Amino acid sequence: AQSVTQLDSQVPVFEEAPVELRCNYSSSVSVYLFWYVQYPNQGLQLLLKYLSGSTLVKGINGFEAEFNKSQTSFHLRKPSVHISDTAEYFCAVNTGFQKLVFGTGTRLLVSP
Amino acid sequence: ETGVTQSPTHLIKTRGQQVTLRCSSQSGHNTVSWYQQALGQGPQFIFQYYREEENGRGNFPPRFSGLQFPNYSSELNVNALELDDSALYLCASSPPGQKNTGELFFGEGSRLTVL
Repeated sequence: AQSVTQLDSQVPVFEEAPVELRCNYSSSVSVYLFWYVQYPNQGLQLLLKYLSGSTLVKGINGFEAEFNKSQTSFHLRKPSVHISDTAEYFCAVNTGFQKLVFGTGTRLLVSP
Repeated sequence: ETGVTQSPTHLIKTRGQQVTLRCSSQSGHNTVSWYQQALGQGPQFIFQYYREEENGRGNFPPRFSGLQFPNYSSELNVNALELDDSALYLCASSPPGQKNTGELFFGEGSRLTVL
């Protein structure tokens, strides 16, 4: 069965610093991978997705992620964060027919 | 293009009561999924509806049930509410066929508190 592990429950970082949020997946078949962001008291918004092709995926708000099949990872990065990036970030894998399995989330805390 | 809308946004119930949550899918989307997100957790798949039939179910008891209507809108019903049912309930829709890449489009959720 597919699963997702987000290794960090919380990542504190200063504004304008780079950040990496880690995600590892487990799957025996080809995968579609996603990163979603959730701002307080809101639903989930898609940041980016990997379906096939280039392993470096660019998303909204300056985020990017790299698919690494050998390490079964899909880490999310941003070279310079803003206060407004403070949110919960979820990595997810598609398990077939539009069902997503989510990780437990990483809270990104950006301080001035 | 209208996104996924859910109602109500917040509600409070007591143990043993029943609740109905509603969802309108995004225009052109024919598949609706429901997720439960407990505080501090990632969303957990409850079930999915396609062509008005349940099409996949997660590890939730039968007191969680749903409906999908011809206009693709959906309801989630929970009977005999328990304290642990307190959560944010998220509805997500997705487009048909070749437009489907596995991406889900989420509403803002209905926050249920069970006392």
